[in-house]
Amino acid sequence: IAGITQAPTSQILAAGRRMTLRCTQDMRHNAMYWYRQDLGLGLRLIHYSNTAGTTGKGEVPDGYSVSRANTDDFPLTLASAVPSQTSVYFCASSDSLETGGYTFGSGTRLTVV
Amino acid sequence: GQNIDQPTEMTATEGAIVQINCTYQTSGFNGLFWYQQHAGEAPTFLSYNVLDGLEEKGRFSSFLSRSKGYSYLLLKELQMKDSASYLCAVTDSGYALNFGKGTSLLVTP
Repeated sequence: IAGITQAPTSQILAAGRRMTLRCTQDMRHNAMYWYRQDLGLGLRLIHYSNTAGTTGKGEVPDGYSVSRANTDDFPLTLASAVPSQTSVYFCASSDSLETGGYTFGSGTRLTVV
Repeated sequence: GQNIDQPTEMTATEGAIVQINCTYQTSGFNGLFWYQQHAGEAPTFLSYNVLDGLEEKGRFSSFLSRSKGYSYLLLKELQMKDSASYLCAVTDSGYALNFGKGTSLLVTP
């Protein structure tokens, strides 16, 4: 089934631990994104990648890093998790604005304790 | 940067019509999107406007005025399943979308 797969679905993580959220798409979309969604704050862009081999910073990049080694995968890493990174994380990809903008993954609910 | 404003909450009655407004200020403009998001789920695409005017798609319509930095989403013949958050998003260049904080719509019997 074409789309975006995120893993894990949910995770409870001890503060200070390292964590990688996985995102894989099979639509051959060039652009991929990571957002976090918090109550009252909406979706905020963390990092993006316009094409394999390139990445850029979004609105809230601090504490996060990404890589884009190939078209399909766009992992998000928290080097040393803090409680303020408790959030729902969505990965998305896009190819053409006219065809609907983004395809979203189902999200990862992360709790940092 | 971008500033996108939409009401936090709205309530409407089943069968009625509701209009959700969105105003934006951007340094550039390459399109405006509306997404629907049910609780605990990912956002899903509703509409895309890049030119001024009204785009109609079944019970949902979206309007854009670029000169006024204004859009609205119109939902007709409201159903209980329309209770959700509605997200306005703008792209100023490339494909990255900047989202408003969303409008939570409650449809009552």
